[in-house]
Amino acid sequence: EVQLLESGGGLIQPGGSLRLSCVVSGITFNSYAMSWVRQAPGKGLEWVASISGSGLYTYYAGSVKGRLSISRDNTKTTLFLQMNTLTAEDTAVYYCSTGGYEEYFNYWGQGTLVTVSS
Amino acid sequence: EIVLTQSPGTLSLSPGERATLSCRASQTVSRSFIAWFQQRPGQTPRLLIFGASSRATGIPDRFTGSGSGTDFILSISRLEPEDFAVYYCQLYGTSRALTFGGGTRVEIK
Repeated sequence: EVQLLESGGGLIQPGGSLRLSCVVSGITFNSYAMSWVRQAPGKGLEWVASISGSGLYTYYAGSVKGRLSISRDNTKTTLFLQMNTLTAEDTAVYYCSTGGYEEYFNYWGQGTLVTVSS
Repeated sequence: EIVLTQSPGTLSLSPGERATLSCRASQTVSRSFIAWFQQRPGQTPRLLIFGASSRATGIPDRFTGSGSGTDFILSISRLEPEDFAVYYCQLYGTSRALTFGGGTRVEIK
């Protein structure tokens, strides 16, 4: 069974930083591109960032480029999202998913809620 | 950057009826890298269709994806109670933006 388990969300003040993690099991992790997708309360899905299976290539939505950084540790089958200089517009449920450039988003985690508020 | 526009925003139908959802791209989508997702309230998105027309594992055959170029369609032949949800299309074939459409809500009439 494929499992993706996100963690690291919570309440953070504007301007703060947070690091999300996603532990993956049930697949050959380094064979899959991985992505983060977010969903603000009551809104639609927004792609945030993707990373290739090797970790060599990364892609970002324009709205987060320079502030959010995607990375992975293939030895620990874990995906990360480092989030800096957070604003209220970053408040959302953050999902990790398999998939990325030319790879469809097949498996999804349950999401972790990030709330940016003073 | 390619923008995906979904229509209608909301579709009001009765169980047993046919649903037709549209996803239009602002530029031609190469190699039909279009996916469709279903999201029920409080749940994680679920992949329905990839490659514009291939059904994901375990997806009932009442779900059909079609289209090419700039116009893509998700059809649900006979709506079951569990099909009332929000549906999103997504472009995953460009490294610049793996864009989602704004979604179509299918609600019970």
